[in-house]
Amino acid sequence: DVKVTQSSRYLVKRTGEKVFLECVQDMDHENMFWYRQDPGLGLRLIYFSYDVKMKEKGDIPEGYSVSREKKERFSLILESASTNQTSMYLCASSLGDRANYGYTFGSGTRLTVV
Amino acid sequence: GDSVTQMEGPVTLSEEAFLTINCTYTATGYPSLFWYVQYPGEGLQLLLKATKADDKGSNKGFEATYRKETTSFHLEKGSVQVSDSAVYFCALTRHGGATNKLIFGTGTLLAVQP
Repeated sequence: DVKVTQSSRYLVKRTGEKVFLECVQDMDHENMFWYRQDPGLGLRLIYFSYDVKMKEKGDIPEGYSVSREKKERFSLILESASTNQTSMYLCASSLGDRANYGYTFGSGTRLTVV
Repeated sequence: GDSVTQMEGPVTLSEEAFLTINCTYTATGYPSLFWYVQYPGEGLQLLLKATKADDKGSNKGFEATYRKETTSFHLEKGSVQVSDSAVYFCALTRHGGATNKLIFGTGTLLAVQP
């Protein structure tokens, strides 16, 4: 069964810390995505990557950066964590330019910044 | 820009009741439409999809029809079960840029009581 694995289910970090959220997929998918999920706001796209070392900003990239050095791994980086970045973070992947096939999601990382 | 609007939740139903969750969209061109489901503590799973007008997506007893004239993609099920309790997200593909991307609604919580 295909999988998207997020390294942590729960994280607690302090304000100002640099935070790394890791995501690995085993499906050889070209595209990978980071969303954050907040009550009443649904899922909002932070960044996505369509190839190794290639990335584009989504709708809410401020305060975040990403890294994709290998095809299977996509990292979300909070350069200096703030309390308004407390959220559920979801990673997803998809095959090529075929959003019609849908995305495969990880189980999410719930990040709390104190 | 492209957007998805879902009915507010929570929706509370008794087992075997009929379910409708409304979804309307705004988009340029001809997006593909999706319903995703998120069970407690898990990531999102693709429930069903439709890629062109008048298509009907179906899965696990759920159905939705792509209505271009009303820009709608309402989710229905004839007889819900307790195990259907989850958050349901309507989504569309946003075309353009390096790859297609999914744009999500805010989600609708469904609670089914025995």
